[in-house]
Amino acid sequence: AQSVTQPDIHITVSEGASLELRCNYSYGATPYLFWYVQSPGQGLQLLLKYFSGDTLVQGIKGFEAEFKRSQSSFNLRKPSVHWSDAAEYFCAVGAESSASKIIFGSGTRLSIRP
Amino acid sequence: EPEVTQTPSHQVTQMGQEVILRCVPISNHLYFYWYRQILGQKVEFLVSFYNNEISEKSEIFDDQFSVERPDGSNFTLKIRSTKLEDSAMYFCASSGSGGADTQYFGPGTRLTVL
Repeated sequence: AQSVTQPDIHITVSEGASLELRCNYSYGATPYLFWYVQSPGQGLQLLLKYFSGDTLVQGIKGFEAEFKRSQSSFNLRKPSVHWSDAAEYFCAVGAESSASKIIFGSGTRLSIRP
Repeated sequence: EPEVTQTPSHQVTQMGQEVILRCVPISNHLYFYWYRQILGQKVEFLVSFYNNEISEKSEIFDDQFSVERPDGSNFTLKIRSTKLEDSAMYFCASSGSGGADTQYFGPGTRLTVL
């Protein structure tokens, strides 16, 4: 069965510091991987996605993620965080079948230290 | 930019009452989804819908839930007899071509069952 693990429940980083949010997945075939961000009281916004090809994917707001098949990981990175990046970040995995559901991780809450 | 909209933003109901949550997916999308997020927990898949029928549903989506596309623009989730544990944020999503295509999420409806 598909599953997603985000081992860090809450991370605090200083503004301007680099960020890496961890994500591990379990899936039998090549997964489709996503990172979504949820600001307080808001919906889910797609940051980036990996379907195939280049394993380093670029997203919006300066985020990037790297797919590592050998480690079953899809970690999210940003070289320099801004206070506005404080939010909940969800890693998710999808399947190739039509009308496929997305399986979400439990999320990592990011706080920014001024 | 096209977006998914949901109404109402917040619904309060008494236990045992029926509620209908409404969604307007992106206009040229063909695949529709409902997810829910109980406070402090992960986002969970409920149901996917394509070509006027359910494609997949989770074990959460029992007989008290139903979905409908009553016209060319709306997509609804009905909960027949609400329970306290139905209190959650309900997200609608749509995608153009299903499968690994990006799902775009609405802002959510917060359902509170008293």
